[in-house]
Amino acid sequence: AQKITQTQPGMFVQEKEAVTLDCTYDTSDQSYGLFWYKQPSSGEMIFLIYQGSYDEQNATEGRYSLNFQKARKSANLVISASQLGDSAMYFCAMREGSLYNFNKFYFGSGTKLNVKP
Amino acid sequence: EAGVAQSPRYKIIEKRQSVAFWCNPISGHATLYWYQQILGQGPKLLIQFQNNGVVDDSQLPKDRFSAERLKGVDSTLKIQPAKLEDSAVYLCASSHTTGGEQYFGPGTRLTVT
Repeated sequence: AQKITQTQPGMFVQEKEAVTLDCTYDTSDQSYGLFWYKQPSSGEMIFLIYQGSYDEQNATEGRYSLNFQKARKSANLVISASQLGDSAMYFCAMREGSLYNFNKFYFGSGTKLNVKP
Repeated sequence: EAGVAQSPRYKIIEKRQSVAFWCNPISGHATLYWYQQILGQGPKLLIQFQNNGVVDDSQLPKDRFSAERLKGVDSTLKIQPAKLEDSAVYLCASSHTTGGEQYFGPGTRLTVT
């Protein structure tokens, strides 16, 4: 079974609108972490936001928020007020195991977001 | 603060040749990761170091790939001999805390002909 599933290979959004990128995960660990990364066409992966499995509040970082639904094992990324510079590949990733301990990392296959002017 | 450095940025080799990639993590980051990203796919973790010890190399094809981080800072990833399917971008990342957010280098794009 896939550890991280991103079902949207590509998405379009109008500039200044909000967009949600889907991510579901599969783990039997109680302690884990979820990450979102942005990869522009230049190729460098950029960390966006993190959510720990025990965090009760949804993580937010500026225009990025993570909609964490633990029971459904989903960790969707919400980008508010899209900008042209948001056009990129977005990857959801999971760390199995807790911080500071042995862990494994998995990345999804990504969603290509295109922001239209 | 300087980011993760990688070299070379591009490399073209013929199959059965050998190649090595170098990575210098962010200063003070104890954890270092090597990923393989095939075109159109997400990164796949090859190996994870904590200081100079290997934490996880379960997805490293050990018959042809090797990696080391001798002094707990720089790291080298080697492929010998290369196959056509090794064509990919090799990403190095580091994190201050094992399991925390990772900071990636620009990657090395390898083409095997």
